[in-house]
Amino acid sequence: DIQMTQSPSSLSASVGDRVTITCRASQSINKYLNWYQHKPGKAPKLLIYAASSLQSGVPSRFSGSGSGTDFTLTISSLQPEDFATYYCQQSYRTSWTFGQGTKVEI
Amino acid sequence: QLQLQESGPGLVKPSETLSLTCTVSGASISSSSYYWGWIRQPPGKGLEWIGSISYSGHTYYISSLKSRVTVSGDTPKNQFSLQLSSVSAADTAVYYCARHGYSDNWYFLDYWGQGTLVTVSS
Repeated sequence: DIQMTQSPSSLSASVGDRVTITCRASQSINKYLNWYQHKPGKAPKLLIYAASSLQSGVPSRFSGSGSGTDFTLTISSLQPEDFATYYCQQSYRTSWTFGQGTKVEI
Repeated sequence: QLQLQESGPGLVKPSETLSLTCTVSGASISSSSYYWGWIRQPPGKGLEWIGSISYSGHTYYISSLKSRVTVSGDTPKNQFSLQLSSVSAADTAVYYCARHGYSDNWYFLDYWGQGTLVTVSS
């Protein structure tokens, strides 16, 4: 299985901050990389697919970039509702592994 | 509007088999090109993809659980199921079912159930 490694595991930020989360794949996955937001007690929510395509209805402050093995999720101006855990997930092969998550907290 | 709903026992004894069903409404699980999957989150840990089934019935599993997992589909009932055998406390988790949607050649998990907590304990 392809291994996905996120950094950092957690970060503290304030409203209005620019936040960047990175994800590295154990082998090249082209742009087959998705990002999800997960809040306690709720289902995960798709934010970005194909490394940089914004899912319908997701605010434009979220953006993704990268290809091959290195990827980034950026929140341009952190809002109160963005405090959550973020996961990357590869869809390169039919073994859809997740990163370990990055918790964004105050 | 597509909806998924997990159902099954919330408590399973060690060494027994965990069985969950996901009922899909608003779309057919046999619709071309879609996959349907199971993901779990142990307490205090991250998301882990377990396995998925394609619209044509092909199955795919995470290597670490492959010997214990079966994902199956029931097209007439528009449901798909998860069976995990020989469970232990390490299998205690919130279990989600989800759809692998797609756009062009890109697959992603776009619709999720609310999740169901399964505890393994005697």
